[in-house]
Amino acid sequence: SSELTQDPAVSVALGQTVRITCQGDSLRSYYASWYQQKPGQAPVLVIYGKNNRPSGIPDRFSGSSSGNTASLTITGAQAEDEADYYCNSRDSSGNQVFGGGTKLTVL
Amino acid sequence: QVQLVQSGAEVKKPGASVKVSCKASGYTFTSYAMHWVRQAPGQRLEWMGWINAGNGNTKYSQKFQGRVTITRDTSASTAYMELSSLRSEDTAVYYCARTNNYYDSSGYLYDAFDIWGQGTMVTVSS
Repeated sequence: SSELTQDPAVSVALGQTVRITCQGDSLRSYYASWYQQKPGQAPVLVIYGKNNRPSGIPDRFSGSSSGNTASLTITGAQAEDEADYYCNSRDSSGNQVFGGGTKLTVL
Repeated sequence: QVQLVQSGAEVKKPGASVKVSCKASGYTFTSYAMHWVRQAPGQRLEWMGWINAGNGNTKYSQKFQGRVTITRDTSASTAYMELSSLRSEDTAVYYCARTNNYYDSSGYLYDAFDIWGQGTMVTVSS
């Protein structure tokens, strides 16, 4: 399958740790990247490759992968982390594909 | 600073075409690929296609093949996305996004969308 599957919604208590997952066959062959999108704004890259953060992304964001599942972990979630998170990778044809997105609520 | 600035919102009638521009600044335009991604209201990000800004080669999602054309003007450091035969389901925010290339410790090449435009709202309505 060329699809990437994410849980539609996840919640976390302020200051706690949350893991957002992305499943797909293509993740066995390609890295996932992760994007944060707040309402009315363009997506922002937060994790790419094995576990790399662009400049300016807090170190509470980290990434990992095992088999057909990629994960984005936020350790010590903050109120400003409330957003939609999308994973991205390639399909079997090498084309870009996005997951359905996970809405993160910080309680 | 590195940025992508897109053209303004558009309202089109069904059957018409729309052309959205994306002006790059702060980097060498021809050294990076440019992609177009759209997002219908409340929906996921959807990849449409990309252009090698250096040589102009393109590749499109099968979903949009035949309706989308991505071009670039290197002298203006600008990429364009034209979508034809518009229908109401094409109502969405359209983003341009640059991919940057990276190598992992094994020398494996991969990419990620590191810079995004601000988005252009295209509304298709009769």
